[in-house]
Amino acid sequence: GQSLEQPSEVTAVEGAIVQINCTYQTSGFYGLSWYQQHDGGAPTFLSYNGLDGLEETGRFSSFLSRSDSYGYLLLQELQMKDSASYFCALTSGNTPLVFGKGTRLSVIA
Amino acid sequence: SQTIHQWPATLVQPVGSPLSLECTVEGTSNPNLYWYRQAAGRGLQLLFYSVGIGQISSEVPQNLSASRPQDRQFILSSKKLLLSDSGFYLCAWTPPGKETQYFGPGTRLLVL
Repeated sequence: GQSLEQPSEVTAVEGAIVQINCTYQTSGFYGLSWYQQHDGGAPTFLSYNGLDGLEETGRFSSFLSRSDSYGYLLLQELQMKDSASYFCALTSGNTPLVFGKGTRLSVIA
Repeated sequence: SQTIHQWPATLVQPVGSPLSLECTVEGTSNPNLYWYRQAAGRGLQLLFYSVGIGQISSEVPQNLSASRPQDRQFILSSKKLLLSDSGFYLCAWTPPGKETQYFGPGTRLLVL
């Protein structure tokens, strides 16, 4: 089967950098995705890593290491609006995503 | 551009009543479709997914069922709701063979 582990909660200061880690167990998967969900809203896609290494999209970056079964989401120049839950997910073509349980990020002044 | 719709946005139903939630996708063809449930403050639980009309895979056996009568329509149903069916129901779609999943706005269901 497949499973993902991520911290349940993270707190960081506005303007700082925060890293949300995700470790997983699987075989034959294609990539790791990240989704953001604000309270009361639906998840929205943030980033996808199909290859090892770093993918950068503005203030957000995501990293994948298949050899370590590990990835992370890096948020820079934190803003209050970044307070949300962040989910990592294993992707493998047409089969459904397997989501982690989510990390609740609180950005404080 | 592609759009995903879900309705209703909120629903309050008595225990034992039936349920029908509808999801439609516009601007694409042959999408993979998914139903998730999310309890308050929790992760996403996959309920059903479909790779084509009439093709439904169930991930969690329970009193819910799903149907895909048309290419871009996905329906979640129940004959008799339980208290434990309360939650946030999310429909999502992906283009075939692609990784990015796009979620609808969700339906918040409260069973009393």
